[in-house]
Amino acid sequence: AQSVTQLGSHVSVSEGALVLLRCNYSSSVPPYLFWYVQYPNQGLQLLLKYTSAATLVKGINGFEAEFKKSETSFHLTKPSAHMSDAAEYFCAVTRSYNTDKLIFGTGTRLQVFP
Amino acid sequence: EAQVTQNPRYLITVTGKKLTVTCSQNMNHEYMSWYRQDPGLGLRQIYYSMNVEVTDKGDVPEGYKVSRKEKRNFPLILESPSPNQTSLYFCASRPDYRNTQYFGPGTRLTVL
Repeated sequence: AQSVTQLGSHVSVSEGALVLLRCNYSSSVPPYLFWYVQYPNQGLQLLLKYTSAATLVKGINGFEAEFKKSETSFHLTKPSAHMSDAAEYFCAVTRSYNTDKLIFGTGTRLQVFP
Repeated sequence: EAQVTQNPRYLITVTGKKLTVTCSQNMNHEYMSWYRQDPGLGLRQIYYSMNVEVTDKGDVPEGYKVSRKEKRNFPLILESPSPNQTSLYFCASRPDYRNTQYFGPGTRLTVL
């Protein structure tokens, strides 16, 4: 069975500060992991994905995430927050083989203050 | 333009009145899914399909039906909607398990 835990339903940072959004997963088989972003009144957009290649994954808009098997984590970071980063972020996990079953975390809403 | 379309985008209905939300993709994707999004619960998968005529239950299938008669379409059917099915629904598609999902714009459903 697989699951995803996102610690912190709300995170607030100042513009220019480091963004750290936490995601821990549970999976009995090697996982594929994804981060999605949802802007207000929009659908979900992929930020980045881990599919067993490099453990440090770079995504769009300056975000990156590191897969740490020993910690079962896939935290999302951005060195310097921008006002436009304010959105809700979802971590998701799936098995690394033939399935479309995808488990999402409950989401973290990021607020960016000037 | 590559996209996933859903109709309707907004729907208000009453308990027990059957409804269908359509989903169509123009990317020739094998996989399609339906999710519901509720505050504090994130997205939960309702059903998914990995091929025509092949569908599987996700985490919250109760009260929903789907069909996949052709590759591009994956309608979500609520035979007898109830107020606890009031939610924001997303359809998604992707080529295979290695690739990301493309999400539709969402359908906001209210069941009175």
